[in-house]
Amino acid sequence: QITLKESGPTLVKPTQTLTLTCTFSGFSLSTSGVGVSWIRQPPGKALEWLALIYWDDDKRYSPSLKSRLTITKDTSKNQVVLTMTNMDPVDTATYYCAHRNRAVAEHGFDYWGQGTLVTVSS
Amino acid sequence: EIVMTQSPATLSVSPGERATLSCRASQSVSSKLAWYQQRPGQAPRLLIYGASTRAIGIPARFSGGGSGTEFTLTISSLQSEDFAVYYCQQYNNWPPYTFGQGTKLEIK
Repeated sequence: QITLKESGPTLVKPTQTLTLTCTFSGFSLSTSGVGVSWIRQPPGKALEWLALIYWDDDKRYSPSLKSRLTITKDTSKNQVVLTMTNMDPVDTATYYCAHRNRAVAEHGFDYWGQGTLVTVSS
Repeated sequence: EIVMTQSPATLSVSPGERATLSCRASQSVSSKLAWYQQRPGQAPRLLIYGASTRAIGIPARFSGGGSGTEFTLTISSLQSEDFAVYYCQQYNNWPPYTFGQGTKLEIK
């Protein structure tokens, strides 16, 4: 059974750096074709894809946020970490991590964490 | 960046009836399209990928169609648990993956 869970601060101040951790189980991030993404959703708004890391450590970022994002993985701990610098109130959102296995559902995200709400406010 | 536009923003349908939701891409995405359902307070759930393939465990009343720039998600015989927000996502030309703004399916 695949599960993912996000963790990190619920409140950050403007200009601070956000660090979120996705801890997962039920799959290995060393399996070919597997990736983990971060996706966010401002309150009442649509989904926005942020970043993805592949089993082979290849990384992809949203072009509009690339300069602020870093995604890394720790395969031994079954964790993926996202850092976002220079946080702003417009970054207030629920942040999700999600699993993708190209061999199962192409680029569809078939398993999601419950999400964690991050509020940016002074 | 490919822009995904969903219509209508809100769709009111009675239980037991059929609902058809639309998604349009600003340029062709071939069949590289997924649909998600999001119930209030929950994470999205993958329904369809490859424009028409149901994900594991998705009931047969959900069906997807289309290719290129025009796509539909049809839910036959709506159940109470189907009233939610639905998003389309393209993955033909990425990064970034892009999502539509969502269609809220509400009870009439």
